[in-house]
Amino acid sequence: QVHLVESGGGVVQPGRSLRLSCEASGFSFSNYAMHWVRQAPGKGLEWVAFISTDGNNKKYVDSARGRFTISRDNSKNTVYLHLNSLTSEDTAVYYCAKDRFPHTDYNAVFEHWGQGTLVTVSS
Amino acid sequence: DIQMTQSPSSVSASVGDRVTITCRASQGIGTWLAWYQQKPGKAPKLLIYSASRLQSGVPSRFSGSGSGTDFILTISSLQSEDFATYYCQQGDSFPPWTFGQGTKVEI
Repeated sequence: QVHLVESGGGVVQPGRSLRLSCEASGFSFSNYAMHWVRQAPGKGLEWVAFISTDGNNKKYVDSARGRFTISRDNSKNTVYLHLNSLTSEDTAVYYCAKDRFPHTDYNAVFEHWGQGTLVTVSS
Repeated sequence: DIQMTQSPSSVSASVGDRVTITCRASQGIGTWLAWYQQKPGKAPKLLIYSASRLQSGVPSRFSGSGSGTDFILTISSLQSEDFATYYCQQGDSFPPWTFGQGTKVEI
């Protein structure tokens, strides 16, 4: 059974940094691309970042590029999202998601989601 | 970026009703279209992928159709547990992968 557990959220001041983690279990982690998707309070879903199976290919939504960094450790079945230079616009629940198809770099279907971790950017 | 537009934004329905939600992409995406259900305070759940393929464990009252730019999610007979918000998502263009704005199905 696939299980994704995010952690690392909290309240942070504008301009500060935060590292989110997502620990995966129940599937062959190194065979699947992983994503981060966020949802601002009362708003819709926004894809944020992608990382390929080997970690060499990373993509970001424009608003995150240059501030956020996605990484993964296949030995620990964990994907990370480093958030830097945070603003109030980054306040959201951050979900990690497993892609549905193995070894996929050019398409995305978010098959399994974690429970999410809330990031609140406030002074 | 590919824009995804859902309609309606909300729909009022009763148990047993047939409900349809449409999703339009700003450019062709083949069948790289997925549908998700989200209940308050919960993570989204994948219902349909590749426009019409039912995710394992999802009831058969859910179905999807379409290709190119126009897609439909149909709930054939609405159940009480189906009251939720539904999102479409394009998975074709690389990237950003984008979602529709959501359709709230309510009583």
